[in-house]
Amino acid sequence: QSALTQPASVSGSPGQSITISCTGTSSDVGTYYYVSWYQQHPGKAPKLMIFDVTRRPSGVSSRFSGSKSGTTASLTISGLQAEDEADYYCSSYRSGSSSVLFAGGTKLTVL
Amino acid sequence: QVQLVESGGGVVQPGGSLRLSCAASGFTFSTSGMHWVRQRPGKGLEWVAFVRPDGGTEYYADSVKGRFSIFRDNSENTLYVHMNSLRPEDTAVYYCAREFGGMAIGYWGQGTQVTVSS
Repeated sequence: QSALTQPASVSGSPGQSITISCTGTSSDVGTYYYVSWYQQHPGKAPKLMIFDVTRRPSGVSSRFSGSKSGTTASLTISGLQAEDEADYYCSSYRSGSSSVLFAGGTKLTVL
Repeated sequence: QVQLVESGGGVVQPGGSLRLSCAASGFTFSTSGMHWVRQRPGKGLEWVAFVRPDGGTEYYADSVKGRFSIFRDNSENTLYVHMNSLRPEDTAVYYCAREFGGMAIGYWGQGTQVTVSS
């Protein structure tokens, strides 16, 4: 199973907005609205931030938003805060193999 | 609240077997799909397997297909994964996780370490 593709790192200053992309194929991101985003701080379990491309679980800040265009999904974090510094992973359902794919992760640095 | 507590991790030799358990509480286990996800040292997340609420259907990553078996005991609110023919590349923290909706993973345990080494 090929992994989804994310940039290895992104950075931004407090108060700025950043966007992390997640590129897949027509067998996953391009067809299904089952794209999720996870935040993981060092030594901690991942936390679901976005599901079904655009939806936020209860308790997740509205500063986090998701979108999709074609085979690329995106996570945007507005009003960057120091506590947003973490690793972010996108995932998608893939048909055929009925599997869940994760991208390699993006390290967000808040300058 | 949702609690997932993994156990059973440890050190095992290549070619060996290990069974991980995950005790679930705080939600209706028998109606929730469950996942195992792993994370190799210093690496990203890798989905391992999923089992439907009734235990009747399972899905596996290609990297573990034929070697790992996910199953559940709804009467004991416990999820398992039996791992055979273990390889050094199976060394990872293994997370038990509950589905959130669609194929999202909404709740995670704290993980259990599996080390495959001679």
